[in-house]
Amino acid sequence: QSALTQPPSASGSPGQSVTISCTGTSSDVGGYNYVSWYQQHPDKAPKLMISEVNKRPSGVPDRFSGSKSGNTASLTVSGLQAEDEATYYCSSYAGTNNLVFGGGTKLTVL
Amino acid sequence: EVQLVESGGGLVRPGGSLRLSCAASGLTFSTYTMIWVRQAPGKGLEWVSSIGPTSTSVSYSDSVKGRFTISRDNAQNSLYLQMNSLRAEDTAVYYCARWRFSEKYCDFWGQGTLVTVSS
Repeated sequence: QSALTQPPSASGSPGQSVTISCTGTSSDVGGYNYVSWYQQHPDKAPKLMISEVNKRPSGVPDRFSGSKSGNTASLTVSGLQAEDEATYYCSSYAGTNNLVFGGGTKLTVL
Repeated sequence: EVQLVESGGGLVRPGGSLRLSCAASGLTFSTYTMIWVRQAPGKGLEWVSSIGPTSTSVSYSDSVKGRFTISRDNAQNSLYLQMNSLRAEDTAVYYCARWRFSEKYCDFWGQGTLVTVSS
């Protein structure tokens, strides 16, 4: 199973909005509404930010939102804050108990 | 509070074996699918293996199939990963995570344990 495609980096100034894309295939992103996004700070465990394309778990700021169109999912971070600087990974269910991740996007807050 | 604590990582020679453990607390362990995810140094996340609540359903990534075995002990609230025939490319931090089966995401992760395969 191939990894999902994410841009290696993204950046924005405090208060701005940034969108990170995640491209897969009809066998994963396009085939299921089971895309999730994880935030990882250096040397920390991943943290769930978005599940099922656009659902925010309790405690995640509403500045984080998700969407999907065809084989591409997106994570938008609005009103960027310094603590949002981290690496973001998308993942998608790929059928038969298979899970595939993206390569990660390092978000820099300028 | 859900806590997942991995242990058992370390330095092992190519071809060697290692057994990872994940101790769970704060959840009804026996009702959840659990998974292992790994992260090579400076790289992204990679799903390794999954096991259903009663161990009847297990699955592996192609990269570890035939070499790794996932198991669990619900009485001990513990998850395991037996890793055999280890290769340099298995070097990674290994995380255990709780998998929400119906919604298909990981909602709790451990802090990880580092496995280094080197001569």
